[in-house]
Amino acid sequence: EAGVAQSPRYKIIEKRQSVAFWCNPISGHATLYWYQQILGQGPKLLIQFQNNGVVDDSQLPKDRFSAERLKGVDSTLKIQPAKLEDSAVYLCASSLDVAGIGNTIYFGEGSWLTVV
Amino acid sequence: GESVGLHLPTLSVQEGDNSIINCAYSNSASDYFIWYKQESGKGPQFIIDIRSNMDKRQGQRVTVLLNKTVKHLSLQIAATQPGDSAVYFCAENWGYGKLTFGQGTILTVHP
Repeated sequence: EAGVAQSPRYKIIEKRQSVAFWCNPISGHATLYWYQQILGQGPKLLIQFQNNGVVDDSQLPKDRFSAERLKGVDSTLKIQPAKLEDSAVYLCASSLDVAGIGNTIYFGEGSWLTVV
Repeated sequence: GESVGLHLPTLSVQEGDNSIINCAYSNSASDYFIWYKQESGKGPQFIIDIRSNMDKRQGQRVTVLLNKTVKHLSLQIAATQPGDSAVYFCAENWGYGKLTFGQGTILTVHP
């Protein structure tokens, strides 16, 4: 079974530029998550989708971050304009349904962003 | 300035020893807990999970213990191997799939 796919793996941009990350979840998984992981810390949830609807985006900095999952499969996360503190790994994850016993959350390898 | 990464708890063990990694969680209402392993340059990998109505669950070479009285979770790894070297995170489910991750512990296994 293919895992969660993310691209690009690495991106370096200057502050105030924009960047977009793409995610393809495990086939059949209804729930998709974007996490931000700053070096030395655990992942922090940015946004959670159930099919093509947003379940939780309370920790998404909406003045600069946006995400969509238009057809309920692939998702994109965009940052515009980027700030230095956005340097982090952006992890996409998916689960069959809302996470719980039997609905394990599987993570992709992450997209590493450096803002200079 | 200091790197936040230098402040992660660390555990160093010899190959073949048993390892115990500890985690304190914050939300007494959390109903589900998970341990993840994260190797350098990779995403977190699921190890084992436990529901809040259990106090122990065993997997292959791993055991998770849950003490709800003191809000403490531990991961025991038997016969630790060099391939177990990684950062280990505990995560608690705050409800409806929203996971909150702990700080992480760096495990180093010496051959």
